[in-house]
Amino acid sequence: DAGVTQSPTHLIKTRGQQVTLRCSPKSGHDTVSWYQQALGQGPQFIFQYYEEEERQRGNFPDRFSGHQFPNYSSELNVNALLLGDSALYLCASSPGQGLYNEQFFGPGTRLTVL
Amino acid sequence: GENVEQHPSTLSVQEGDSAVIKCTYSDSASNYFPWYKQELGKGPQLIIDIRSNVGEKKDQRIAVTLNKTAKHFSLHITETQPEDSAVYFCAASKSGNYQLIWGAGTKLIIKP
Repeated sequence: DAGVTQSPTHLIKTRGQQVTLRCSPKSGHDTVSWYQQALGQGPQFIFQYYEEEERQRGNFPDRFSGHQFPNYSSELNVNALLLGDSALYLCASSPGQGLYNEQFFGPGTRLTVL
Repeated sequence: GENVEQHPSTLSVQEGDSAVIKCTYSDSASNYFPWYKQELGKGPQLIIDIRSNVGEKKDQRIAVTLNKTAKHFSLHITETQPEDSAVYFCAASKSGNYQLIWGAGTKLIIKP
């Protein structure tokens, strides 16, 4: 049973560029959430996708956008990269109709903005 | 909105001893409290969770307790081993709100 997978593992970009990160959820899960984790801090919620729609969004600017595909996989796009966007980006999957918010995380994508 | 505070930020214990990490939350409507373990360079791993209709849950050497009245919950690790060294995060969530609100993390160091 495959867990949550993310690609790429590491990424280096320069300010002003755009980046796309990818995530495949755990088998049987139809919901994907994205988090940003700065060094030494807890993850911060970016948004959650369910049934190919953004279901909830955290306090992140419109430069952060996403997409969910019919197979439940998801992409996170960040435009006009800033130095402060350097972080570990985590994808988490969960069963969409669960009463409790059980989320299982992938290994993350380490983004460095120079 | 919900706020989760976690203490201590660093905890050093002798191998074989017990470790306790504590969290408090502010939103009385929160009803789900997971604990995650994060090793260096990896994503958080769910190690145990508790729901608001339960006061205590145990899984081998790990246990979590919840006090809804005081709005705090704790992680207990007994017979600590070197592989328990990691950063541990608590989180809170409530039905209808899909984000997890995280504590700041506790770095657990197991001394040989």
